[in-house]
Amino acid sequence: KAGVTQTPRYLIKTRGQQVTLSCSPISGHRSVSWYQQTPGQGLQFLFEYFSETQRNKGNFPGRFSGRQFSNSRSEMNVSTLELGDSALYLCASSYRGEGTEAFFGQGTRLTVV
Amino acid sequence: QQQVKQSPQSLIVQKGGIPIINCAYENTAFDYFPWYQQFPGKGPALLIAIRPDVSEKKEGRFTISFNKSAKQFSLHIMDSQPGDSATYFCAATRSSGSARQLTFGSGTQLTVLP
Repeated sequence: KAGVTQTPRYLIKTRGQQVTLSCSPISGHRSVSWYQQTPGQGLQFLFEYFSETQRNKGNFPGRFSGRQFSNSRSEMNVSTLELGDSALYLCASSYRGEGTEAFFGQGTRLTVV
Repeated sequence: QQQVKQSPQSLIVQKGGIPIINCAYENTAFDYFPWYQQFPGKGPALLIAIRPDVSEKKEGRFTISFNKSAKQFSLHIMDSQPGDSATYFCAATRSSGSARQLTFGSGTQLTVLP
């Protein structure tokens, strides 16, 4: 069974630009969560999608948004990039969200210059 | 209320030693506590998880001890190997009700010397 696939693996963007990251969950998994990992703040929850609906959202500004498609694939968008948005963005999939294990992808390393 | 505190920040042990990583939580609604292992350049990988109705769970060389009254849980790695050198994260969440939102500890960088 294929794992969680995140694309691209690396991105370099300029301040003020926007970026879209993609996540393909494990086949059959309907819940996709996004996390930001930085050396200073650690792993922080961004949001979770289930059956194309955002069910939960972390404490991030509105520049961070996401969506989920009918095949459970998810995208995360960050607009008006800031230097502080440089981080490893991780996607995790689980069968239905609550009560089941979450499996992470390798992440997308975003560098904002 | 949502915080999970993890210690130590870093840990160095000799091969064969038993590193212990500790976590404490505040939110009594948490009822699912996974541990993740992360190697450089990789995403976190689920190691082992426990629910508060048991005080200990073993999977291979990894053991979680859970103290519900103290709101603390810990990871023990038996017969540690250099290949166990990685960053370990504890996490907590509610397993019922609303969606999955893992609250992570700050991580422990483990080095196992050969």
